[in-house]
Amino acid sequence: DIQMTQSPSSLSASVEDRVTITCRASQSIASYLNWYQQKPGKAPDLLIYATSSLESGVPSRFSGSGSGTDFTLTISSLQPEDFATYYCQQSYSAPWTFGQGTKVEIK
Amino acid sequence: EVQLVESGGGLVKPGGSLRLSCGASGFTFSTFNMNWVRQAPGKGLEWVSSISSRSRYIYYADSVKGRFTISRDNAKNSLYLQMNSLGAEDTAVYYCARVGFSNGLDVWGQGTTVTVSS
Repeated sequence: DIQMTQSPSSLSASVEDRVTITCRASQSIASYLNWYQQKPGKAPDLLIYATSSLESGVPSRFSGSGSGTDFTLTISSLQPEDFATYYCQQSYSAPWTFGQGTKVEIK
Repeated sequence: EVQLVESGGGLVKPGGSLRLSCGASGFTFSTFNMNWVRQAPGKGLEWVSSISSRSRYIYYADSVKGRFTISRDNAKNSLYLQMNSLGAEDTAVYYCARVGFSNGLDVWGQGTTVTVSS
């Protein structure tokens, strides 16, 4: 099974900060990497698919990059509605594993 | 409106069984692969199972293999998860999710809560 490791597990940031979350796969997953945002009590929302493609309706301050085993989610200017937990997920092969999540909190 | 609605959750005793359902609307259900994903209280997301559009390909997480069975009825626009031999570790919110053409999970239900306790 492919293991997905996110870092950090949590971070504190201020509005308008630039935030970067990393995700590492235990083996190459090409570009089959997705990012989700989850707010408390809600289902996750797909933010980015195939490493760097923005899902429809997602603000352009979100971006993704990487390939192979190392991937990054960047929020260029953190907004109040972005405080949430973010998960990466590989869709290269079953089981489609998720990272453990990164909680972005208000500083 | 594209929508997924789960049902069937509840309180069940250890060793018991439960069948979750997920009704789809607003899209051509029969053309999409579907997943179940769960989230234990205060924990992260855990992928549970996947089924292809015509049920040809089915996969399970090791944690549920041999106990859970995923199925679908395209005529009824419905996805199912039969859960047997439930244990406390299966306590979670269970989400059904559509696999989009992007290969990401692009539509999620609101979740149904399963609690395994005596």
